[in-house]
Amino acid sequence: GDSVTQMEGPVTLSEEAFLTINCTYTATGYPSLFWYVQYPGEGLQLLLKATKADDKGSNKGFEATYRKETTSFHLEKGSVQVSDSAVYFCALSDQGTAQKLVFGQGTRLTINP
Amino acid sequence: GAVVSQHPSWVICKSGTSVKIECRSLDFQATTMFWYRQFPKQSLMLMATSNEGSKATYEQGVEKDKFLINHASLTLSTLTVTSAHPEDSSFYICSASYSGRAGGYEQYFGPGTRLTVT
Repeated sequence: GDSVTQMEGPVTLSEEAFLTINCTYTATGYPSLFWYVQYPGEGLQLLLKATKADDKGSNKGFEATYRKETTSFHLEKGSVQVSDSAVYFCALSDQGTAQKLVFGQGTRLTINP
Repeated sequence: GAVVSQHPSWVICKSGTSVKIECRSLDFQATTMFWYRQFPKQSLMLMATSNEGSKATYEQGVEKDKFLINHASLTLSTLTVTSAHPEDSSFYICSASYSGRAGGYEQYFGPGTRLTVT
């Protein structure tokens, strides 16, 4: 079945550092790919998404490119802020499964001032 | 917009009792809601898909008689954990599906409910 694998956390960085959180997936079809963020005490929020190969999703300075050849969707940000501290989830949705999401295990990110 | 609430945010119950968790879409109508379970430091696992006015579709391995789901209106779905046991202790998260003006669907998530069974 479909699956998503994220780099294990926790990840701790200093403010203004470069961030990469790796995400790879396994799917039989052509899934849509997502990054969700969960701030402390809140529900998951969609951060960005990409629906086909070579698409780049971007939001709030974060970017991720749908790489079909490497089955990856790595999350990057050039300069992180303390307010980016949260748990980040990579997920996929198979087009044929009525919006069902398959999540990675989540990566906790802490940014120190 | 597109806010989803859950109630309660946390609950402690005794083994053998039942607990009901509510999931509400506050400013939109959701024909489909999803229930997830999250274990510590693990991923969200989809338990069931709930469609308004029809029976829920459960994922493989999820006991439908233990986790009763009701989606009585376009803004409310409930999950009842029946005869709860300590192994049911977990973080339960719901989401509601909404189709915006741009088309396609997006899931909006509630903040989750922490269940502890003693």
